[in-house]
Amino acid sequence: SYELTQPPSVSVSPGQTASITCSGDKLGNKDASWYQQRPGQSPVLVIHENWKRPSGIPERFSGSNSGNTATLTISGTQSVDEADYYCQAWDDTTGVFGGGTRLTVL
Amino acid sequence: QVQLQESGPGLVKPSETLSLTCTVSGGSTSSFYWTWMRQPPGKGLEWIGHIYYTGITYYNPSLKGRVTISLDTSKNQISLKLSSVTAADTAMYYCARMVGGYGSWYFDFWGQGTQVTVSS
Repeated sequence: SYELTQPPSVSVSPGQTASITCSGDKLGNKDASWYQQRPGQSPVLVIHENWKRPSGIPERFSGSNSGNTATLTISGTQSVDEADYYCQAWDDTTGVFGGGTRLTVL
Repeated sequence: QVQLQESGPGLVKPSETLSLTCTVSGGSTSSFYWTWMRQPPGKGLEWIGHIYYTGITYYNPSLKGRVTISLDTSKNQISLKLSSVTAADTAMYYCARMVGGYGSWYFDFWGQGTQVTVSS
């Protein structure tokens, strides 16, 4: 079965850039999406189709996908961005999530 | 704005069938895909399956035929049934709307989730 791998945790200082990676076999040939989940809340879509940002999501969120790695980048990270982030892709018609990355804003 | 609300028993006994309903407001279930996902306590998200408004369904192979997702467009509701539950099925269950094309689907609106515990 297809697997997506994320680092368990990433730390960043306020105002700096955070990068969260998601690795999978030939992931660059697929479309990846990213979800933010704050404690006790439902996930929120922040990036879809690798780089597209839904309305209402701040411009500091961006995405890329190439080779075996998709990356979520948060520029000028704010304390409100502290959350768990999940990547997601499709293996044909089976949905696959990465294990999630906890972003800590120190 | 589309809103989704999950409902159902919070406690299910082992070996029984878990049954949940997702009610959609602010939009129609007569289009798009509709998905169920779950999240065990302290763990990550797992896709359970989805249904197209035409009734076509796709399920996570890891759930080994225990899952049934159905759609009642007259009530704007999506249902989830998971049979032969064990403690491993204890989780927060979410429904979500899914949009996009083949291989590019994504989940744009999510419900608040409903906690289900499997215990005798």
